Amino acid sequence: EAGVAQSPRYKIIEKRQSVAFWCNPISGHATLYWYQQILGQGPKLLIQFQNNGVVDDSQLPKDRFSAERLKGVDSTLKIQPAKLEDSAVYLCASSRWTDFSYEQYFGPGTRLTVT
Amino acid sequence: AQTVTQSQPEMSVQEAETVTLSCTYDTSESDYYLFWYKQPPSRQMILVIRQEAYKQQNATENRFSVNFQKAAKSFSLKISDSQLGDAAMYFCAYRFNQAGTALIFGKGTTLSVSS
Repeated sequence: EAGVAQSPRYKIIEKRQSVAFWCNPISGHATLYWYQQILGQGPKLLIQFQNNGVVDDSQLPKDRFSAERLKGVDSTLKIQPAKLEDSAVYLCASSRWTDFSYEQYFGPGTRLTVT
Repeated sequence: AQTVTQSQPEMSVQEAETVTLSCTYDTSESDYYLFWYKQPPSRQMILVIRQEAYKQQNATENRFSVNFQKAAKSFSLKISDSQLGDAAMYFCAYRFNQAGTALIFGKGTTLSVSS
């Protein structure tokens, strides 16, 4: 079974530029999560999708961050314009909605550096 | 709001020795899961062990075991017979037991293993 795929793995941009990250979850996983992991901290949920609908985006800075999950499979996370404090690893995870253990499987992450 | 606290930013252990990582959490819920995740340097996060709050028996996975104290809201991870490959960042995480809810992570403990 293929794991959660993310691209790019690394990205360096200047502040005020825009950037987009892509995630392909494990096949059959209805729930998709985007987490932000700032250096030295644990991951923090940005947004959660159930199929192509948003379940929780309460911690997403909506003035600059946006995300979509068209057709309930792949997802993109966009930052526009980026700020220095957006430097972090962006993790995508997926899980089965019906899995009793609700285990989340993580992708390798995208490391963003904003200069 | 639920919170997870890991009070040990760094721990070290020698090969073949045993080490215990601490975690406390705060919640008003009675039905939830607790997890320990491992994040090796530049590699993706993987699940080490999970504990369901309603199960009194402590979970065990090979060399990994937990000490779950529900009343004290404590959830420590014991790694026995430590190996060089155990070196990683370890995150304690909480999730309310409802389909699709996101994880709440602690700040992590960096474990180094020496030969």
